[in-house]
Amino acid sequence: GEDVEQSLFLSVREGDSSVINCTYTDSSSTYLYWYKQEPGAGLQLLTYIFSNMDMKQDQRLTVLLNKKDKHLSLRIADTQTGDSAIYFCAERVKAAGNKLTFGGGTRVLVKP
Amino acid sequence: ETGVTQTPRHLVMGMTNKKSLKCEQHLGHNAMYWYKQSAKKPLELMFVYSLEERVENNSVPSRFSPECPNSSHLFLHLHTLQPEDSALYLCASSQANRYNSPLHFGNGTRLTVT
Repeated sequence: GEDVEQSLFLSVREGDSSVINCTYTDSSSTYLYWYKQEPGAGLQLLTYIFSNMDMKQDQRLTVLLNKKDKHLSLRIADTQTGDSAIYFCAERVKAAGNKLTFGGGTRVLVKP
Repeated sequence: ETGVTQTPRHLVMGMTNKKSLKCEQHLGHNAMYWYKQSAKKPLELMFVYSLEERVENNSVPSRFSPECPNSSHLFLHLHTLQPEDSALYLCASSQANRYNSPLHFGNGTRLTVT
């Protein structure tokens, strides 16, 4: 079955690194995504990783995928106040018609 | 212009009203989606249109009626809604024949049913 879980809240000091974690249950996931939602806005695609990769880096963002443990993480280096938002992970499951299943979102608060 | 545009941004309607939400995408995609985002609930997929045909309807009440006249436009017609239908309604699009195509979202319509 499809189930994607995230912790609800993360508080981090400006300039530190943030790590947002996500677990999923479906081993047939093909792609995994991270989205960011700022107040009053829709979901903005940040990055994604193919399931046969372990890591992907994109500027301040690093995605780590542990397929054995079905664990995905997003690391934000040098976290800024503008990074305060809700972050959603999502998995695309080929067996489910390539539908995206979203986690409940992690609210990240960056303190100056 | 943003890739996916939704109007209106905010809507307040009574339970007996009829209104429509509009979504337009300028990304050349051929699949469009309606999602509902309520407080303290995961994102709920409502409808999916691929190549202008409805391919998914997730047990959504009939008071929500989608329409996809072409691959760039998507509507959600609303009538006799309930207060629990108050939520952020998000439209998204993707490329249906590329299975790695991510969803691109609009900024949503904040709906309040009084």
